[in-house]
Amino acid sequence: QVQLVQSGADMKKPGASVRVSCKASGYTFSNYGISWVRQAPGQGLEWMGWVSGYRRNSNYAQKLQGRVTMTTDTSTTTAYMELRSLTSDDTAIYYCARNVNGAFDIWGQGTIVTVSS
Amino acid sequence: QSALTQPASVSGSPGQSITISCTGTSSDVGSFNLVSWYQQHPGKAPQVMIYEVNKRPSGVSNRFSGSKSGNTASLTISGLQDEDEAHYYCCSYGGSGSFHVVFGGGTKLTVL
Repeated sequence: QVQLVQSGADMKKPGASVRVSCKASGYTFSNYGISWVRQAPGQGLEWMGWVSGYRRNSNYAQKLQGRVTMTTDTSTTTAYMELRSLTSDDTAIYYCARNVNGAFDIWGQGTIVTVSS
Repeated sequence: QSALTQPASVSGSPGQSITISCTGTSSDVGSFNLVSWYQQHPGKAPQVMIYEVNKRPSGVSNRFSGSKSGNTASLTISGLQDEDEAHYYCCSYGGSGSFHVVFGGGTKLTVL
């Protein structure tokens, strides 16, 4: 079946970087883009950015510009999100989601990233 | 780009209907028929309930419907059931030449 499976929980110190992976299966990976959405504890959803499934196109939320990089590897049908210069405000659940016409039809299970000294 | 505006909470009794509003601007909701709605139960990933303003994915109950007027989109749930109690988020495409979306702040639906 169509699914996105993300990497496991991670804990980082302030100032470090984190990389989260999102393995896609059950569909033609290059036909769809992937977005990353995060959710801080007790808060709402925040769109972080989007990466194309077949080209090196990406677009990021303005507040994360310069700190985030999203990539895809078509050979392994995996999307990656790297976030640098982490602070406690980056503590959140990070989701990858498949894009279809501006909507997100398939979601990963989420990856908890905790930033703490 | 600012978040879309949703009421923080709504409530209704089983069998009743409720509507959740989602107000954006002429740069997002008002310009594109690419509004979607997501249901999120505690500890779970969000699930799409409505896409492209008023379309339902396969498997989503026809008790869920969507609409849009101007800069405001709405989600209506009819025949409320206990399992509808969850958080609901609206989302709109807002890009101008590049992919960009914005979420609403979320609405907690309580079934009384």
